[in-house]
Amino acid sequence: GAVVSQHPSRVICKSGTSVKIECRSLDFQATTMFWYRQFPKQSLMLMATSNEGSKATYEQGVEKDKFLINHASLTLSTLTVTSAHPEDSSFYICSASTGGDGVEQYFGPGTRLTVT
Amino acid sequence: TQLLEQSPQFLSIQEGENLTVYCNSSSVFSSLQWYRQEPGEGPVLLVTVVTGGEVKKLKRLTFQFGDARKDSSLHITAAQPGDTGLYLCAGARPGGGNKLTFGTGTQLKVEL
Repeated sequence: GAVVSQHPSRVICKSGTSVKIECRSLDFQATTMFWYRQFPKQSLMLMATSNEGSKATYEQGVEKDKFLINHASLTLSTLTVTSAHPEDSSFYICSASTGGDGVEQYFGPGTRLTVT
Repeated sequence: TQLLEQSPQFLSIQEGENLTVYCNSSSVFSSLQWYRQEPGEGPVLLVTVVTGGEVKKLKRLTFQFGDARKDSSLHITAAQPGDTGLYLCAGARPGGGNKLTFGTGTQLKVEL
């Protein structure tokens, strides 16, 4: 149980276009989902926390108008990278949890975004 | 500011050797987790430690949470090539829900 999927696994887009990444909890209801960004050979950096039905909370330095997060249901959150540029190329990972202190996060397999 | 510093950053060893990875912070965490991540995949949870001084074993891996819940270590005995990967510690701050702060990461390579 506790499976999280991401789609697409890889995407290549042209500079200036927008890309949407989906994160789904397949066998549980995720009250909270997290979006991370990871550069090669580096750790995960939290971008934002989203709770179902409310606005996402962004970490300091993350542009909320550039990285649009929607958590419209208990099994789906989306991250849209708007007006993508080459520097947005990265590995984006989501995680999902039922929320609350000490509750485990379940991680998706990640999405590799390349902006040309 | 990176709250969780891991050391070493890189480690290349021969099969059969032992190693220890450290995860240090000046902050207290309510729980700390260790993950292993392979290239192009999401991190996979290895263990969660909650109590100060707690020691958990997972086959050849031994995890310890510091008494003050500010640091942790991962010890691998008789490393194997399959242990190769990026090891990440991640801590949950008291009152922070289950939001995690990830450590800087340790890239381990075990060669034959």
